[in-house]
Amino acid sequence: EPEVTQTPSHQVTQMGQEVILRCVPISNHLYFYWYRQILGQKVEFLVSFYNNEISEKSEIFDDQFSVERPDGSNFTLKIRSTKLEDSAMYFCASSDFGPNTEAFFGQGTRLTVV
Amino acid sequence: GENVEQHPSTLSVQEGDSAVIKCTYSDSASNYFPWYKQELGKRPQLIIDIRSNVGEKKDQRIAVTLNKTAKHFSLHITETQPEDSAVYFCAARWKNTDKLIFGTGTRLQVFP
Repeated sequence: EPEVTQTPSHQVTQMGQEVILRCVPISNHLYFYWYRQILGQKVEFLVSFYNNEISEKSEIFDDQFSVERPDGSNFTLKIRSTKLEDSAMYFCASSDFGPNTEAFFGQGTRLTVV
Repeated sequence: GENVEQHPSTLSVQEGDSAVIKCTYSDSASNYFPWYKQELGKRPQLIIDIRSNVGEKKDQRIAVTLNKTAKHFSLHITETQPEDSAVYFCAARWKNTDKLIFGTGTRLQVFP
């Protein structure tokens, strides 16, 4: 069964450093998402991406965040200058026919900012 | 504001009993309501979803009901098994956007 894959599974970074989280969505999917989950809390929407541009973003997704689809397979989330409060599990997701169809989640990247 | 309320936060049942988790949403334009199961340290996995043009959907031991007028939807698990133990999240697609707004989660424990 096709899966969304994310790398790395765990990233530890110093406060102020830049991090790039990588995702390979399911190959025929067109809609891509990033969500985050702070430990013990609910999953929160960050951003959605379709047709090579951001279609929706939350208030969490400020100027420190950016997304990119650098080639036909990868979808990345960059945090330019990490803060302690960015520590969370970051999930990538993708869907084929859009927001009203199933979003498949990757296994997540645990980001720890120290 | 954007909010999906979920109750209870924890639920303990004996194996074989039923479990019910309830969610309410505030946006009357929401039209897609998935339920995700998340085991410890793993990804959320869709277990069932419902769209606003139906009132109930069933898949084996799992069912979801939707009351659009009251703006609430519920997950029903019958004949629970220990492997049903996990955190369950409801979600609602928000207005005419791409985003899913998640509930706060319910930790379900099924005791043998």
